[in-house]
Amino acid sequence: SAVISQKPSRDICQRGTSLTIQCQVDSQVTMMFWYRQQPGQSLTLIATANQGSEATYESGFVIDKFPISRPNLTFSTLTVSNMSPEDSSIYLCSVAPTPGGPYGYTFGSGTRLTVV
Amino acid sequence: QKEVEQDPGPLSVPEGAIVSLNCTYSNSAFQYFMWYRQYSRKGPELLMYTYSSGNKEDGRFTAQVDKSSKYISLFIRDSQPSDSATYLCAMSDSGGGADGLTFGKGTHLIIQP
Repeated sequence: SAVISQKPSRDICQRGTSLTIQCQVDSQVTMMFWYRQQPGQSLTLIATANQGSEATYESGFVIDKFPISRPNLTFSTLTVSNMSPEDSSIYLCSVAPTPGGPYGYTFGSGTRLTVV
Repeated sequence: QKEVEQDPGPLSVPEGAIVSLNCTYSNSAFQYFMWYRQYSRKGPELLMYTYSSGNKEDGRFTAQVDKSSKYISLFIRDSQPSDSATYLCAMSDSGGGADGLTFGKGTHLIIQP
């Protein structure tokens, strides 16, 4: 299965600023996903990023707040814009199973964001 | 009603006990069921994957899916302190990897030495 490097692993940010999270995969993948994991809550899908097209956002998430880039088949970024304390969470990227390979979505180690 | 219900615990059991973790769901379209283990400050790690109803065993772990009851379980035999983690159930209606997963909240499991 793919190996994902995600950075930064953690950050403390001032409200009103933006943070860009990077996700690098060791193999080419078609679909990448971004999740949010708030304390005591489920992992919630933010958006799906397919290389060469606009990201698809889930209900409750908008592009202006969480812009995503997917410049190639091994890399993606998620930006958390105009942050507020409510954005304090763990953000995770994930890749879909490879066709013909073992089933299972792989996750990065996450970015722990604290907004003060 | 949330799509996936999972008791967050904590669930504390003595070493060597059999652990039973469960999730219920409401979306009958789900066909792919997974269990992930997440250690503190780490990303989720896939433990078990099951398609449709049935059982699957891998070492000390057994996953069960009952689609008629919309109920899935993970059993851990001969539990070890190293099994202490948060266990997340996850589901999808797509096997092609085009869609993301729907998760339960996770159950925090503590194995007491």
